[in-house]
Amino acid sequence: GENVEQHPSTLSVQEGDSAVIKCTYSDSASNYFPWYKQELGKRPQLIIDIRSNVGEKKDQRIAVTLNKTAKHFSLHITETQPEDSAVYFCAATSGGSARQLTFGSGTQLTVLP
Amino acid sequence: DAGVIQSPRHEVTEMGQEVTLRCKPISGHNSLFWYRQTMMRGLELLIYFNNNVPIDDSGMPEDRFSAKMPNASFSTLKIQPSEPRDSAVYFCASSATSQPDTQYFGPGTRLTVL
Repeated sequence: GENVEQHPSTLSVQEGDSAVIKCTYSDSASNYFPWYKQELGKRPQLIIDIRSNVGEKKDQRIAVTLNKTAKHFSLHITETQPEDSAVYFCAATSGGSARQLTFGSGTQLTVLP
Repeated sequence: DAGVIQSPRHEVTEMGQEVTLRCKPISGHNSLFWYRQTMMRGLELLIYFNNNVPIDDSGMPEDRFSAKMPNASFSTLKIQPSEPRDSAVYFCASSATSQPDTQYFGPGTRLTVL
């Protein structure tokens, strides 16, 4: 089955700096890669996603890049703010299913004021 | 439009008791997922339904766990008997036919088994 590895597990940055979180996946058939943000005690919320026919996607201060050859994708947050502090999860479709997601282990991002 | 609804939000029970968690997916969504989240194991998919039919229950940890989806707007996850190691946050998520891989999560049920 699909295996998604996420690094780093914790990340601290100064407010205004950039943050990068990286994920690798094992199933070459995976074609959808979402990122979720989970604040303490809250639900995971979809913040951005990318499909395998696209190499990069941006939405304001966040961007995701995908390298299908190397089977890795990354989340980039620029001009970080304290409200960006949360746990971020990457995921990939798995098992040949268009619906089933396998999640990474999460990255605790702390933005220091 | 209401998102995914889960109840109860918090459940505290004693070992050996039956626990039933409930989920109402987003209206019009035809896929429903049950996840368990713990510090040790992260987010684990327990089971998912498509058009009310269970498709993959390989993540259900034991026979003590069962899930049903009697109609398109309601699903239950039952644990009987419950054990302390079942303590976790249980999330329900749903997705639409048009974008089956885009899942929207409910607020979760925090289960504590004493």
